[in-house]
Amino acid sequence: GAGVSQSPRYKVAKRGQDVALRCDPISGHVSLFWYQQALGQGPEFLTYFQNEAQLDKSGLPSDRFFAERPEGSVSTLKIQRTQQEDSAVYLCASSFTTDMNTEAFFGQGTRLTVV
Amino acid sequence: AQKVTQAQTEISVVEKEDVTLDCVYETRDTTYYLFWYKQPPSGELVFLIRRNSFDEQNEISGRYSWNFQKSTSSFNFTITASQVVDSAVYFCALSDWDDKIIFGKGTRLHILP
Repeated sequence: GAGVSQSPRYKVAKRGQDVALRCDPISGHVSLFWYQQALGQGPEFLTYFQNEAQLDKSGLPSDRFFAERPEGSVSTLKIQRTQQEDSAVYLCASSFTTDMNTEAFFGQGTRLTVV
Repeated sequence: AQKVTQAQTEISVVEKEDVTLDCVYETRDTTYYLFWYKQPPSGELVFLIRRNSFDEQNEISGRYSWNFQKSTSSFNFTITASQVVDSAVYFCALSDWDDKIIFGKGTRLHILP
């Protein structure tokens, strides 16, 4: 596709349920980022991949959060045993360079609501 | 530590007015990048500009202009002759030389017809 695609767009999970959020970056983009955006806040960095290597996961809030990008393309963010504070929009972004701070192209996000 | 402050939570202006969105940043590094992103109602962030700390020249792109002042640690964004389509949340962001991008909390801009 032409842009970064995220699915699902909306996800409602019961507390304690596991969820998996998918990101399809722009084809050929080397770098992939995940951000968490709480209501009324700016995006907060979660993790960064360069191809299949997860080079920075310093922003993952707990060990319930896990991300992978096994073939250096599609990425999945998994949240285990979801809690209410996990409710947020999860944004994925990709860029064609290996820099962490270059122009990135964002998807529309997945809005996760934990009830 | 890095920090980005966007003191204006929400601004409303009438179409065709000029509007300036303020951004103040903090960093200990001498080499860093500053960004502005736009987030329309559809949700995706749209890149507007990236400036490095060595380039203090102001930049103009159509109706958009940016004023970078190292002395006051500010990187303000002005929209001239605003249009309804400019309504969005605007984020200022900062990254140190080889590090992740830190976003401010955003300014919600309403352009009234």
